[in-house]
Order: sequence, then structure tokens, then C-alpha cells
Amino acid sequence: SAVISQKPSRDICQRGTSLTIQCQVDSQVTMMFWYRQQPGQSLTLIATANQGSEATYESGFVIDKFPISRPNLTFSTLTVSNLSPEDSSIYLCSVAEGLKSYEQYFGPGTRLTVT
Amino acid sequence: AQSVAQPEDQVNVAEGNPLTVKCTYSVSGNPYLFWYVQYPNRGLQFLLKYITGDNLVKGSYGFEAEFNKSQTSFHLKKPSALVSDSALYFCAVREDNDMRFGAGTRLTVKP
Repeated sequence: SAVISQKPSRDICQRGTSLTIQCQVDSQVTMMFWYRQQPGQSLTLIATANQGSEATYESGFVIDKFPISRPNLTFSTLTVSNLSPEDSSIYLCSVAEGLKSYEQYFGPGTRLTVT
Repeated sequence: AQSVAQPEDQVNVAEGNPLTVKCTYSVSGNPYLFWYVQYPNRGLQFLLKYITGDNLVKGSYGFEAEFNKSQTSFHLKKPSALVSDSALYFCAVREDNDMRFGAGTRLTVKP
């Protein structure tokens, strides 16, 4: 299975600023996903990021707030813009290794606190 | 759209006893079903999956899950619980390239 790392592991940010989260995979993967998780709660899909195409956002998430880059098959970034306390959450990167790969693997997450 | 339900927020069992964490699903086509576990301050770890074949699926750490099409269920089981199994468990269903997660069940195994 793919090994996924995320940076930073946690951060405390001020209201109105932005945080960019990096996701690095140790192998080439077709599909990358970004999720949000409140501590102890379920996961909500923010967007799907495939290399060479624009990210696809889920209902309730917009590109201006959550811009995503996917420059190659091993790396992606998620930016959370114009931060508010409601953005305090854990952000998880996830990958699927192929178009027909049924399994998804998850990074360790980035815990964001907005003050 | 697919969905999955975990009817129990919390499951408590004694160490050595069997455990069951329940999951029911709804999909329009064939179900692709998964269980993940999340330990404190960690990401999700894949436990097992059902794609096709035997209804009883064996996974990591001694866990298994039984796919029941008539009841649209995919309950997670383990014959003998360990204290170290205490964690948050998520059931998930995949349709096309879209995976949806249940609300999660917190399993506590007491010594």
C-alpha cells in the first residue's frame, strides 16, 4: 500500500489567514482525495484531485475557499483560505492507486486550529 | 447516491469477549464495502474490504466482516477482543470513484 505523509501535522492559525497542506505519496497514484474530519466524527469529502485535470469539489466546498493543486502523480496541496474558527478541523489526504483500485489509503492528517 | 449507516455510536465489550460493530448500506449497484480503523491522533487504517466472492471477509488484526445482501449489512466482527482494539471504526461504501463513510463507532474494550 502507498505510504502518505502530510505537512504540517498541526498548526494554529489566525482568523483571515490561509494554510497550505502538503500531501506526498511514495508512489505514483491516479486519484487523490481531500477530506475534512471533526475530531471523533466522520469524514466529509472536500474534493477529488486527479493529475492533469481540475479538482472536482463536493457540494458545499468551493475552489475559492479550498484551492487544490496536483502538479504530479505523487503530490498535492490543499489550501484553506480566509480562515475562520469554523475551519478548525482535521484535514486528511487520501489516495487510490489506480482507476480500478477499490481501496483508499489515508495520510496521518493535519490538525488545524483557527483562533 | 450511496450511503452507509452505523447505528451505534459506542460499543463496549470486555477483553476476550467477541465483538460486533454494525454497518448497513445503500447503493444502487453492486456494493464495494470497507472497514477502516482510526486510533487517537492517527489517520485511517484499512482493515478489510468486500468486492465480490465469499460473504465472510477476513482482514487485519484478526477482524472479519460478513456481507449480507438480503439485510444490506456488513458487520465487523472479532472472536476475542483486545484492549488494544479500542479505537474509532468506520464503515464505508464505494460507488464509482466516490467513497462515503459512516458516522463511526467508538469501540472500547475493557480489561
